[in-house]
Formats: sequence, structure tokens, C-alpha cells
Amino acid sequence: DGGITQSPKYLFRKEGQNVTLSCEQNLNHDAMYWYRQDPGQGLRLIYYSQIVNDFQKGDIAEGYSVSREKKESFPLTVTSAQKNPTAFYLCASSINFGNTEAFFGQGTRLTVV
Amino acid sequence: GENVEQHPSTLSVQEGDSAVIKCTYSDSASNYFPWYKQELGKRPQLIIDIRSNVGEKKDQRIAVTLNKTAKHFSLHITETQPEDSAVYFCAASKSNTGKLIFGQGTTLQVKP
Repeated sequence: DGGITQSPKYLFRKEGQNVTLSCEQNLNHDAMYWYRQDPGQGLRLIYYSQIVNDFQKGDIAEGYSVSREKKESFPLTVTSAQKNPTAFYLCASSINFGNTEAFFGQGTRLTVV
Repeated sequence: GENVEQHPSTLSVQEGDSAVIKCTYSDSASNYFPWYKQELGKRPQLIIDIRSNVGEKKDQRIAVTLNKTAKHFSLHITETQPEDSAVYFCAASKSNTGKLIFGQGTTLQVKP
């Protein structure tokens, strides 16, 4: 069953703690992305990766970090430096970088308690 | 910087009526314009896209139009059905960066 999988679906974090969101794809896609979704603000780009071992900051990268050690995986770490981390996080992938359909995971809802 | 504005933020129509959602983009080099539908609690999925060398594209009840001069593009849904109720997002990207920039989203409600 091909696709893009995010885990966990729900995540709770205490203030001051780092937390890592998982994103795995078996579509053999080169490009992967992380978006944050807040009500009324659409999808805002956090980080993106065009290819393995390469990634770039998006529009709201502060307080987040990523790695791309394997083609299939693009984990996102929400650090304690992120001032307002409670949000819905969406991972996506596309066959290559630029002007092609992006396939989304089912999302992770992060809540800071 | 790159920006995409989407209107309206909410739209309510009667079943069978048409719905139109409009987006404007700031970067004249943008050349790819997809539309995504996100049903409640689900992931966004592509419903239609258009490239800058085309002015209009149709797929059954859905159509997208592009005006490059004015830098705006629109989604048209005809004969709306209750299952069309969802949040719709427009987006824009350009070849040399590939970043998809999304609009703020439109919540469409189709009343039976």
C-alpha cells in the first residue's frame, strides 16, 4: 500500500520539551515538505527538502528543525524555541521539486499542555 | 515575497447552485496553480491544477481559469452537491523554486 504516513496522529507536549513528528513515504518521491495548518491561515511552509541530505527553510522555520538522511523519511522536530507550537502539522511529498502534485499525510495534531 | 490571497474565507450555497473561489498571486513568475480539497478530519487532496500556458481547464463539474495578466485564478464548481462541502485551498509555485505557497482556504458549505 503506497503512500505517505505521519505518526502519531495526536501528540501532547509539555512546555519546554522538544518533540519529533515522523513522516515516511514509500512513493519514491524526491521532494518532501512540512506545513503547519492554523485556522484561517491556510498551510504555511516550515521546511522542504528537494533531495536526500538537503533541506531548506520555508516561511516559518524558526523553532523547528528537520533532517533528511533517507529518501523515505523527513522527521520534524518542534523545539522549545517555538513560541506557539500547538497546531496541525502536515507532511507532503512530490515526485520531484517543483510544479507537480503534492501528496499529503494524514497530519499530526500537536498540543502543548 | 511570494504571497497568495484567497477569497472568500467562507461560502454557503444551495445544492445545485454554482460556487466560485478566487485567488490572486504576487509573483508573476509563478507558473503552476493547483487546487486542493480538504474534507473534515482528512488530508488535503489535489482536485485540479493548471499551468501558465493554459487559460482554462475542466474536469466534469470543476473548472479552473487563469488570468496571467491580472495574476489571478479561480475555481468554479457547478451543480454543487452536499459532498462538495469542504475546505478548498489554492496554491501557486514557480519552476525555479518549486515551493508551493497556499492561500488561506475557503470553507464551502453546500446546503441540501
